[in-house]
Amino acid sequence: GQNIDQPTEMTATEGAIVQINCTYQTSGFNGLFWYQQHAGEAPTFLSYNVLDGLEEKGRFSSFLSRSKGYSYLLLKELQMKDSASYLCAAMDSNYQLIWGAGTKLIIKP
Amino acid sequence: GAVVSQHPSRVICKSGTSVKIECRSLDFQATTMFWYRQFPKQSLMLMATSNEGSKATYEQGVEKDKFLINHASLTLSTLTVTSAHPEDSSFYICSARDGQGWTSVQETQYFGPGTRLLVL
Repeated sequence: GQNIDQPTEMTATEGAIVQINCTYQTSGFNGLFWYQQHAGEAPTFLSYNVLDGLEEKGRFSSFLSRSKGYSYLLLKELQMKDSASYLCAAMDSNYQLIWGAGTKLIIKP
Repeated sequence: GAVVSQHPSRVICKSGTSVKIECRSLDFQATTMFWYRQFPKQSLMLMATSNEGSKATYEQGVEKDKFLINHASLTLSTLTVTSAHPEDSSFYICSARDGQGWTSVQETQYFGPGTRLLVL
């Protein structure tokens, strides 16, 4: 079956670095997405990886290892506004997104 | 980026009534639209995929007679929750894919702002 695993909740300190992990199992693979979702709002696109390696975009970076079925989202210089849920989603061979349950990130001053 | 709107943003209704939610792509033609439901502290759950001019494809466990989807044009899809009950209370989110200008996979889905439904 198809499955996405990510931690339910993480806590970090303002100004620090946090890494949110995601493992996936899908029928075929067309890339790995990370979305940010603030409470009561729709998800917003953060990153997309389809090749192995690290993609850096400002304070956010995303890593993919296809052989391990593993990705992580790295957030640097954490700000209070980064408090949100982070959703990992893998795209299968039919171009359907398989969603993880999301990781709630709590930032403390 | 492309913009997708949803209306209404919030609706409260009595049990047994029907509620219609509109999803519009404002600056592109959406050949495919997706409807999701999200319960508190849970991830997005795909309910159905609709292509303009054809019947929607529903995910397993989603009642097609209860959740009516109409993708009448390239910019509008509607979801009607018929005879709503309190257990239908949820956050409903639509997303749209630009079938014409799909130049990169990350453009695969643009999300609307969501509609919060509360059935009393």
